[in-house]
Amino acid sequence: QMTQSPSSLSASVGDRVTITCRASQPISIYLNWYQQKPGKAPKLLISDASNLQNRDLSRFIGSGFGTDFTLTINNLQPEDFATYFCQHHYEIPWTFGQGTRVEMK
Amino acid sequence: QGQLQESGPGLVKPSETLSLKCTFSGNSLTNYYWSWIRQPPGKGLEWLGYIYAGGGSNYNPSLESRVAMSIDESQTQFSLSLSSVTAADTAIYYCVGRLRGTFGLWGQGTLVIVSS
Repeated sequence: QMTQSPSSLSASVGDRVTITCRASQPISIYLNWYQQKPGKAPKLLISDASNLQNRDLSRFIGSGFGTDFTLTINNLQPEDFATYFCQHHYEIPWTFGQGTRVEMK
Repeated sequence: QGQLQESGPGLVKPSETLSLKCTFSGNSLTNYYWSWIRQPPGKGLEWLGYIYAGGGSNYNPSLESRVAMSIDESQTQFSLSLSSVTAADTAIYYCVGRLRGTFGLWGQGTLVIVSS
């Protein structure tokens, strides 16, 4: 089970935002982060806790190991307002966190 | 890499079987583990299971008694069947390609409503 917090947050352009994801058991680094915008499929952001998929998105930083993981967004941009999900791939069943909605303040 | 496109009925009656197909525009279904993931409107994501070229599969234990997946490599298609559906199965269903531990290739999703 993946527990994500907060479920939603309000922020402004330029802010730093932090989202956390906690696993119910140690999962090493087997944690991915996805971004989803309304009406669209999720998009992979970060794999294996800290591997950024698109180097142009260096403001997104993933960290963590074991049970506690963090997604930090530095200098929040207008296109970053979206919902973010964590997902483990340590063992079957692969599960997602409940999601964190990042809204404009 | 290619693209994925889901197809199938948008409305299914309770107790019936939901059937969806996913077509991959790439040349081959090898290399990926092909999954189905669903999302009830406004809610989170649930992984249903995967199948890979050759027919091996693994399903989410929470749905294992109702889920079946198949693959047609010649057509670069794979399919989902979910039996005995209820309103709780109403969701957007995504077909997804998994590679190196990540769900990196997603279809656009198709909304399936369970209602009489």
